[in-house]
Formats: sequence, C-alpha cells, structure tokens
Amino acid sequence: GQQLNQSPQSMFIQEGEDVSMNCTSSSIFNTWLWYKQDPGEGPVLLIALYKAGELTSNGRLTAQFGITRKDSFLNISASIPSDVGIYFCAGTPGNFGNEKLTFGTGTRLTIIP
Amino acid sequence: EAQVTQNPRYLITVTGKKLTVTCSQNMNHEYMSWYRQDPGLGLRQIYYSMNVEVTDKGDVPEGYKVSRKEKRNFPLILESPSPNQTSLYFCASSRRQGANYGYTFGSGTRLTVV
Repeated sequence: GQQLNQSPQSMFIQEGEDVSMNCTSSSIFNTWLWYKQDPGEGPVLLIALYKAGELTSNGRLTAQFGITRKDSFLNISASIPSDVGIYFCAGTPGNFGNEKLTFGTGTRLTIIP
Repeated sequence: EAQVTQNPRYLITVTGKKLTVTCSQNMNHEYMSWYRQDPGLGLRQIYYSMNVEVTDKGDVPEGYKVSRKEKRNFPLILESPSPNQTSLYFCASSRRQGANYGYTFGSGTRLTVV
C-alpha cells in the first residue's frame, strides 16, 4: 500500500521551543489529517485539511495543506510537556469517495527537561 | 459521549483459536475501519466499510474478516489467528468524505497470539 514519508522520525526539544514536521507523498491527496497518539491510547484528530493551500490552526497548532497537494506541514508553537507523544499525518489519495486513509510512520516528540 | 468502543482491550489467545474483536460507534458515522499498529510500520489499514453491507480490503487484509450488518457495529474476525497477527488493533469511524471527514479512533485492542 501507499506510504507517506513523514519527517523527522523523532525530535528532542526543550519546553518553549517551536516544532515543525512534515509529510510528503508521491501522489496527489485530497485530504490531509494530523493526529496525536499518547501511550496506550488511540490517535486523536488534531487538525483536518480539505483544500490545497489551506492553513488551519487549533490553539498552538497550525497545519497547512501544500499547494501541490502532495505535502502537508504541522507546526507547534511554544511547546509544553503535554505535547509529548507521537504525531501522525494521514491522507486520502485521489478523488473523493476513496476511503483508503493512509498514515505516515509518525514523528515522536520528546521534551528534554 | 461520542466515542468508538472496542472490546476487549487486551487479549491473549492460542494459534488457531477463532476470535472476534468488537467495535461499536455511537456517532451515526457511515465509514468504519480497522487498523493494526506495529513498531516501525505505523498504522496500516486492514478493512474498511463505507456503509452497511459495504466493505473493502485495506492494505493488509490477509487473515482477517469483517462484517457490517448494522451501521454502528464493525467486528473484526480472526478465523485462525497466527503469531504474526500479534499487534495493537484500532477501530475507527468517520462521517462521509467532505468537510466533516476525519476518523475517530477507539482505545485499541492489544492482541497476543502464542
């Protein structure tokens, strides 16, 4: 199946720093979703993007749907301890109605004391 | 509370013994899906359903069966489990494609096959 290339694989930052991660695909996507997973829990939807070029915020989180429809970016400003976890991008390729939601391999965020 | 409920949370079974993991959602979502999560491989889709009696294979369907007889339920069936099906499984549901699309996940089922 199709894989999304997500980077970086892991990040070690200090509290208060800003964070950026991205996801790329070799084919066009019509939806991009960003999820966060805490240990022992299912992924939780953070931001959903439905149009190329769209920029959407959710508190300190901002995500963008790349204009080429082949990439997406997630930024976290002024990180805090509860931001620790694994962040996944996900998307549906092709036309609407395609339900094969594909996930990236995740970015593990760790905050160094 | 709007949620996706999976049962059981933990399951240890022996090779070849049929099992079913149940999944139920209370949000009247059309779409439901099963994923497995393995270290280094991320989340991979097993099966998905776009509505009652409509199911299709995901990326890793071998060894699994599903059914969608009611809108709220989407059980995952392992007819003859094998050790390579040891994994963390998630059920998820979503509204149809469009402005409200986005899967809500259950809390997961950790399956060990010995």
